[in-house]
Amino acid sequence: EAQVTQNPRYLITVTGKKLTVTCSQNMNHEYMSWYRQDPGLGLRQIYYSMNVEVTDKGDVPEGYKVSRKEKRNFPLILESPSPNQTSLYFCASSSDRVNEQYFGPGTRLTVT
Amino acid sequence: KQEVTQIPAALSVPEGENLVLNCSFTDSAIYNLQWFRQDPGKGLTSLLLIQSSQREQTSGRLNASLDKSSGRSTLYIAASQPGDSATYLCAGGSYNQGGKLIFGQGTELSVKP
Repeated sequence: EAQVTQNPRYLITVTGKKLTVTCSQNMNHEYMSWYRQDPGLGLRQIYYSMNVEVTDKGDVPEGYKVSRKEKRNFPLILESPSPNQTSLYFCASSSDRVNEQYFGPGTRLTVT
Repeated sequence: KQEVTQIPAALSVPEGENLVLNCSFTDSAIYNLQWFRQDPGKGLTSLLLIQSSQREQTSGRLNASLDKSSGRSTLYIAASQPGDSATYLCAGGSYNQGGKLIFGQGTELSVKP
């Protein structure tokens, strides 16, 4: 089954404790991205990747890092999480940026 | 800068009604417009994608149109059902925005039995 998977689905952590949210797709897609969804602000892009080793900032990259060492994986790293990063995070992929984007199930992160 | 607006923010209709959800965008240099459905606490399910060269797309009871000149897209749902209750999001991909989708705030649809 073609899908985008994210882990963990739910995470509660404390300020400053480094964490990684994994994202994997099995569709051989070149384009992958991360979004966060917040009430009243909607969905905003954090980072995106056009291909392996090619990443760039989206609208809200501060406090986040990404890497794209393999085509299928695009982890999101929060090196020192803060409470304002409490949000619902989505990973997405597509064959290229102009084609249909497929979203993962989401990761609900709470930073206390 | 691309901005996407969805009206209305919420809509409640009786089962069986045909309905239209509206999406407007400011930058006509879009390469596609995608409609999604989101159930509470869940991920986004892609419904329809309209490329910039297309005027409309259909899938079952859903029909989406795109008018770049007026900066509008509509999602038409025929014979609505309670299972259609969800938040519907439109998102535009703009050549001037580095490849990301710009999302509207969504329309929360409730279909009453």
